[in-house]
Amino acid sequence: GESVGLHLPTLSVQEGDNSIINCAYSNSASDYFIWYKQESGKGPQFIIDIRSNMDKRQGQRVTVLLNKTVKHLSLQIAATQPGDSAVYFCAENIGRGSTLGRLYFGRGTQLTVWP
Amino acid sequence: DADVTQTPRNRITKTGKRIMLECSQTKGHDRMYWYRQDPGLGLRLIYYSFDVKDINKGEISDGYSVSRQAQAKFSLSLESAIPNQTALYFCATSDVKTGSQETQYFGPGTRLLVL
Repeated sequence: GESVGLHLPTLSVQEGDNSIINCAYSNSASDYFIWYKQESGKGPQFIIDIRSNMDKRQGQRVTVLLNKTVKHLSLQIAATQPGDSAVYFCAENIGRGSTLGRLYFGRGTQLTVWP
Repeated sequence: DADVTQTPRNRITKTGKRIMLECSQTKGHDRMYWYRQDPGLGLRLIYYSFDVKDINKGEISDGYSVSRQAQAKFSLSLESAIPNQTALYFCATSDVKTGSQETQYFGPGTRLLVL
């Protein structure tokens, strides 16, 4: 089956530093990737997405990089803030259309931001 | 108001009991999903529905059933609950009509404890 995993289960950074969360995927047919943020007691919240025809996409303080050669995805958070503390999940979509379009989630990385 | 709501938010039940978790959405999305989340694991897909007449099994459908009563409502049932179904359950929606059709939006979750 497909595998979406994360290199590190936990990441601790100091407030103001940049954070990088990594994700590896195994299915070369994956054509769409999403990063979600899950705060304690809440559902996953969409952060940013990227399609397989791109290698970089930027949002507000976040950047997603996609390296299809090594099947690697990363989420960069600039000037990390205490409110960024959460579990971050990457998800890959394999296929689209009427019968496909399912997401497969990694296990998540717990980001802790220290003051 | 939340776009995706789940009821109940918390539930304790006993082994062998039937229980229903409900999900409603006001986003007007066609697609709805049920996931479970266990500690240290990512989200795993239980069932999904691409429209009212379409129901599909996910990765871990055994012991669960669903009903898509309307475009806006998708219920998950545990016919005879067992302790290893203790988990956090999330409902999600996505919209096939928009450009970001694979992006899924999650409800706040239902925490279920089976004794």
